[in-house]
Amino acid sequence: EVQLVESGGGLVQPGGSLRLSCAASGFTFTNYAMTWVRQAPGKGLEWVSSISGSDGSTYYAESVQGRFTISRDNSKNTLYLQMISLRAGDTAVYYCAKANVAFTQYSYCMDVWGKGTTVTVSS
Amino acid sequence: DIQMTQSPSTLSASVGDRVTITCRASQSVSAWLAWYQQKPGKAPKLLIYKASSLESGVPSRFSGSGSGTEFSLIISGLQADDFATYYCQQYNRYSRTFGQGTKVEIK
Repeated sequence: EVQLVESGGGLVQPGGSLRLSCAASGFTFTNYAMTWVRQAPGKGLEWVSSISGSDGSTYYAESVQGRFTISRDNSKNTLYLQMISLRAGDTAVYYCAKANVAFTQYSYCMDVWGKGTTVTVSS
Repeated sequence: DIQMTQSPSTLSASVGDRVTITCRASQSVSAWLAWYQQKPGKAPKLLIYKASSLESGVPSRFSGSGSGTEFSLIISGLQADDFATYYCQQYNRYSRTFGQGTKVEIK
């Protein structure tokens, strides 16, 4: 069974840092691009960042560019999101999601999602 | 950035109704358009990819159409399990953008 499990969320003060992890199983992780999507309380979905499968090319939303870093460890089947300089506006449930097509850098949507991990930025 | 606009924002319907949700892109995304369903407290679920391709396991009452800048999600014969929020998403090139969502409520 294809499964994604996020962890690492929590309460952090404004200006603080946090690293999210997403453990993947049930598929050949290195073959698929991965994505982080977030959802603020009561709001819609917002794409945060994506990373390609093998060459590690990364892409970011303007709202997080320069503050968030996406990475992956294909030997551990794990996706990461390092977040620094956190703001109240970053408060959200963060989902990791798998590309629906293998071996593609950008022509994919997301077919498997984790249950999400909650990040709260507050003093 | 490509902006995605869904309409309506909220839709009241009854079981058995045919429902249409529209999504408009600020520039052409070709057919790189997906539709997701989300229920409260749950992760989104992929319904349609590449504008009109039905994801495996999704009931055939869901269909998608369109290309370029205008897209539609149609639910033919709304079921009780379909009351949820629906999002379109473009995935043209390296960025992704979601629409603001359409909540389908019970009339």
